Amino acid sequence: SQTIHQWPATLVQPVGSPLSLECTVEGTSNPNLYWYRQAAGRGLQLLFYSVGIGQISSEVPQNLSASRPQDRQFILSSKKLLLSDSGFYLCAWTADRGRGNIQYFGAGTRLSVL
Amino acid sequence: DAKTTQPTSMDCAEGRAANLPCNHSTISGNEYVYWYRQIHSQGPQYIIHGLKNNETNEMASLIITEDRKSSTLILPHATLRDTAVYYCIVRVKGGYNKLIFGAGTRLAVHP
Repeated sequence: SQTIHQWPATLVQPVGSPLSLECTVEGTSNPNLYWYRQAAGRGLQLLFYSVGIGQISSEVPQNLSASRPQDRQFILSSKKLLLSDSGFYLCAWTADRGRGNIQYFGAGTRLSVL
Repeated sequence: DAKTTQPTSMDCAEGRAANLPCNHSTISGNEYVYWYRQIHSQGPQYIIHGLKNNETNEMASLIITEDRKSSTLILPHATLRDTAVYYCIVRVKGGYNKLIFGAGTRLAVHP
C-alpha cells in the first residue's frame, strides 16, 4: 500500500534561520507531488507542485522554494525564514492519473517562526 | 475555475445523518466534485468524488443534482469522530490536478 511521510511534525525556528521540510512517498512511482500551506484558521493554499524529478512549479511568489531530487522525495526549503512563514505545511501526492486523481495528504508539519 | 459555496458551520446529533450542501453553479462539464475533510491538526482526508452520478462508499454518499450546480455530502450515521471541517472542491482543469480549498463547513457532531 502507498504511504506518505512528512517530518518533522512540529518545528520552532527563529526568524532568519534556514528551513528544510521533507516529504517522501512509498509504494508508488512517478507521483505528482504537492506542497500546501495552511495559516491558522484558514484554508489550504497550494505552494508548489511537481510532475517529475527536477520539475517544480510555483503557485505563489514567496520566500520558499521546493526541490524534487528523487522520484518520491519532495523538499520544501527556505534560506531565511520570515514570521509570515509560520503555518501548517502539508505534502500531498496523486494516487493515479485516471479518473478522479485523488490527492492523499501527509500528517503535516506545524512550523512556528519566532 | 469553478468556485464553491458552503455554509460556514453546521451541527448534527450523534447517530443522525449529516447533510452538507455545496453550491458550484459555474462548474464545467468535465469537472469533478471532490469532498475532503480535515480533523483538527491533521492533514485533509479524501472522502468521495463524483462527476454527475450519485456515489457511495464506506464513508459517505454524494448526491449531485441533475444540472450539477449543487451537491450534498451525506454522512449516514454521524459520530463524534466526524467532527471536522468539510471541504467541497471542484477540480481545476489541468494535468497536475490542483485542488483549491475554500473555507469549508465546520461540522460539529454532539452527543
